[in-house]
Amino acid sequence: ETGVTQTPRHLVMGMTNKKSLKCEQHLGHNAMYWYKQSAKKPLELMFVYSLEERVENNSVPSRFSPECPNSSHLFLHLHTLQPEDSALYLCASSPSLRSYNEQFFGPGTRLTVL
Amino acid sequence: AQKVTQAQTEISVVEKEDVTLDCVYETRDTTYYLFWYKQPPSGELVFLIRRNSFDEQNEISGRYSWNFQKSTSSFNFTITASQVVDSAVYFCALSGAAGGTSYGKLTFGQGTILTVHP
Repeated sequence: ETGVTQTPRHLVMGMTNKKSLKCEQHLGHNAMYWYKQSAKKPLELMFVYSLEERVENNSVPSRFSPECPNSSHLFLHLHTLQPEDSALYLCASSPSLRSYNEQFFGPGTRLTVL
Repeated sequence: AQKVTQAQTEISVVEKEDVTLDCVYETRDTTYYLFWYKQPPSGELVFLIRRNSFDEQNEISGRYSWNFQKSTSSFNFTITASQVVDSAVYFCALSGAAGGTSYGKLTFGQGTILTVHP
């Protein structure tokens, strides 16, 4: 596999479920990101990791819990979500946190919370 | 604070027409980077171009061209002779200088939905 992969691509869950989103990058990058894309809203940055350390938590509710066990993998653990959390969740990576680095995105996980 | 505005929510054109997507930005950083990304129906954002704040030269890549004007804080994107495969959502984004509070954080515009009809 090349680039940034995300699994699952689609997820339907109830408000009481616990699930996890997985992201894997095969680019040798040191920074990874989670974004939320809701209808009619700009992409919202949720979390940023650099060399497995979280450097940004953008006021995200605690029902979203990120985990970065190594620089190639990023998880987003979900529990007791709300219907308004339904969105496309995008993972991205970049060589570093330097501003000039473009970010490489995965295809996203389309999440529906019932 | 950084802000990116893409005033055009949706644009519809017929194949072979030229189309320009507008992007206006706000930042207090003197060094910054501007990006355009394309999001096809498959979902992933595809990087198209990066410009830094010190390079105002326009750029052309095939049917794509970009016009960066610092004086008006704009970074517009033109597709010449549009094709159906150009149909996608296009995002303009801004990144501030590393070391400040905005390090590598990308601020995205709302996106412009481009539909090219055959």
